[in-house]
Amino acid sequence: QKEVEQNSGPLSVPEGAIASLNCTYSDRGSQSFFWYRQYSGKSPELIMFIYSNGDKEDGRFTAQLNKASQYVSLLIRDSQPSDSATYLCASGRGDFGNEKLTFGTGTRLTIIP
Amino acid sequence: GAGVSQSPRYKVAKRGQDVALRCDPISGHVSLFWYQQALGQGPEFLTYFQNEAQLDKSGLPSDRFFAERPEGSVSTLKIQRTQQEDSAVYLCASGYTFGSGTRLTVV
Repeated sequence: QKEVEQNSGPLSVPEGAIASLNCTYSDRGSQSFFWYRQYSGKSPELIMFIYSNGDKEDGRFTAQLNKASQYVSLLIRDSQPSDSATYLCASGRGDFGNEKLTFGTGTRLTIIP
Repeated sequence: GAGVSQSPRYKVAKRGQDVALRCDPISGHVSLFWYQQALGQGPEFLTYFQNEAQLDKSGLPSDRFFAERPEGSVSTLKIQRTQQEDSAVYLCASGYTFGSGTRLTVV
């Protein structure tokens, strides 16, 4: 079992709808969680991070963390074609800025115009 | 610099050849990470530096892989006697910011 699991997709969502990306983790020592977006042929780009249980919103993006269920999600509202990419979930041990990250394999998201 | 700079952008090596990959992190950043990303996979941790000290090298897949950061800024990842399974994108990160990576193809 990988430490961070994601559904590889592809996930197809109509433009303007909500895209929901999910991730589970097995290491209960994980304290910090990250969502990266990776366009084809490009490097990962940090979208959001979350440390506390609950929701964290940034523009069209909402990250959700449930430590009891070891579950992290990313919601993208009003999906745009430019959101089409692979989304990587990652976990860390919480030493902000100095922590190695454990990544899932990524979920490929396609927004259909 | 303003971002993380990696060179070369692409590298083709013959099997058995040694390669050196360079990372120039964000100016003043203490932490520097190397990751390896195989096709269709997420990045996998290789090694971590805090300034010039290599604090974690647990992810290096074999003793053919070696990394250094002698002056606490630029880092070099060296792979000796490259094998086909070393073909991947090698990513350097300053904190949580990745460089554009080096795509290594071993033929």
